[in-house]
Amino acid sequence: GNSVTQMEGPVTLSEEAFLTINCTYTATGYPSLFWYVQYPGEGLQLLLKATKADDKGSNKGFEATYRKETTSFHLEKGSVQVSDSAVYFCAQGSSNTGKLIFGQGTTLQVKP
Amino acid sequence: DSGVTQTPKHLITATGQRVTLRCSPRSGDLSVYWYQQSLDQGLQFLIQYYNGEERAKGNILERFSAQQFPDLHSELNLSSLELGDSALYFCASSVGQGSYYNEQFFGPGTRLTVL
Repeated sequence: GNSVTQMEGPVTLSEEAFLTINCTYTATGYPSLFWYVQYPGEGLQLLLKATKADDKGSNKGFEATYRKETTSFHLEKGSVQVSDSAVYFCAQGSSNTGKLIFGQGTTLQVKP
Repeated sequence: DSGVTQTPKHLITATGQRVTLRCSPRSGDLSVYWYQQSLDQGLQFLIQYYNGEERAKGNILERFSAQQFPDLHSELNLSSLELGDSALYFCASSVGQGSYYNEQFFGPGTRLTVL
């Protein structure tokens, strides 16, 4: 079945470091891909999305490119801040229903 | 604030009991989704309703049921509760049915503890 796999966490970085969180997916067809962020004590918020191959989603300095050939959607940010500390979820969705399949989440901790 | 409200925020109950979780979607959103977040299973899709009709079903147990009312709020009913049902239950809403162009907005969740 369809699935999403994220790199194991937690990831601990110093402020201004470069961030990469790996995400790969398995799917029949071509799903849409998402990154959601969950801050402590809150619900999930959509960070960025891409709906077709080679699309690049970006928001708040974060970027991810939909790579069909490697079935990947890695999240990157050039310079992380303490305020980026959160849990990041990669997800895939279908066109005809709203069902989202999430990865297991990656905890990011950024130290000053 | 996403505009999605969930009540109660916390719920503590005993095994074998039944509880009801409530969700009010954002104004104008027709789809409501329920997700379960637990340490061992991660974040799992349970069920989707669109304008009162069931639209998609995930790994929802037979002991669980949901409905969406004419005013579009939704309730998730959990019965014969087991320890393993302890989790954070999220509701989300979106304007349309599919995921491609319909951002899902998540509520703050209801934390259920079964003792």
